[in-house]
Amino acid sequence: GAGVSQSPSNKVTEKGKDVELRCDPISGHTALYWYRQSLGQGLEFLIYFQGNSAPDKSGLPSDRFSAERTGGSVSTLTIQRTQQEDSAVYLCASSLGYGGETQYFGPGTRLLVL
Amino acid sequence: RKEVEQDPGPFNVPEGATVAFNCTYSNSASQSFFWYRQDCRKEPKLLMSVYSSGNEDGRFTAQLNRASQYISLLIRDSKLSDSATYLCVVSQGSARQLTFGSGTQLTVLP
Repeated sequence: GAGVSQSPSNKVTEKGKDVELRCDPISGHTALYWYRQSLGQGLEFLIYFQGNSAPDKSGLPSDRFSAERTGGSVSTLTIQRTQQEDSAVYLCASSLGYGGETQYFGPGTRLLVL
Repeated sequence: RKEVEQDPGPFNVPEGATVAFNCTYSNSASQSFFWYRQDCRKEPKLLMSVYSSGNEDGRFTAQLNRASQYISLLIRDSKLSDSATYLCVVSQGSARQLTFGSGTQLTVLP
């Protein structure tokens, strides 16, 4: 079946602009996660959605970052007033839910802020 | 101190060699443990889960020592295709999200 998909694959933007990154999880997966990976760094957790529960936003680095998940499926990560340090690969993952299960990652969106 | 620490690497080994990666985690409440593999410019993919009793999948063996908060991955008879970055990953059951080590790069040489 289809895996996790993300769009766009690559995004180049100017400092100060807003960007929206999209994630389509695997059908039937109730849990959705956003991570980011900066060049040469490990993955950093950003936000987690589980079903209809309030999201765990504890990993968001600043209030310029926000995410929503509509209808329990597609998620959008929004970065407002982008900064050069926001340049990274933004990875989305999904799992069946309830912790501990395998997370399947999408191919990521490579964001470059000039 | 990082929550999940791995061997710094890189490891450059000849084909057929046995190589071992180590990882330690700081949160004793951690409940789930994994090794993920990440190829260059690709997303991480699950290699194997790690169980307390230890588990083996072909040439790969994973071990967990909860008392020492230590995880290991052993690769036997390494292949060129094993070249990748290996990520040690830990999950706290209630927190759900994965905590990744910074990864260890392996290059298997012909």
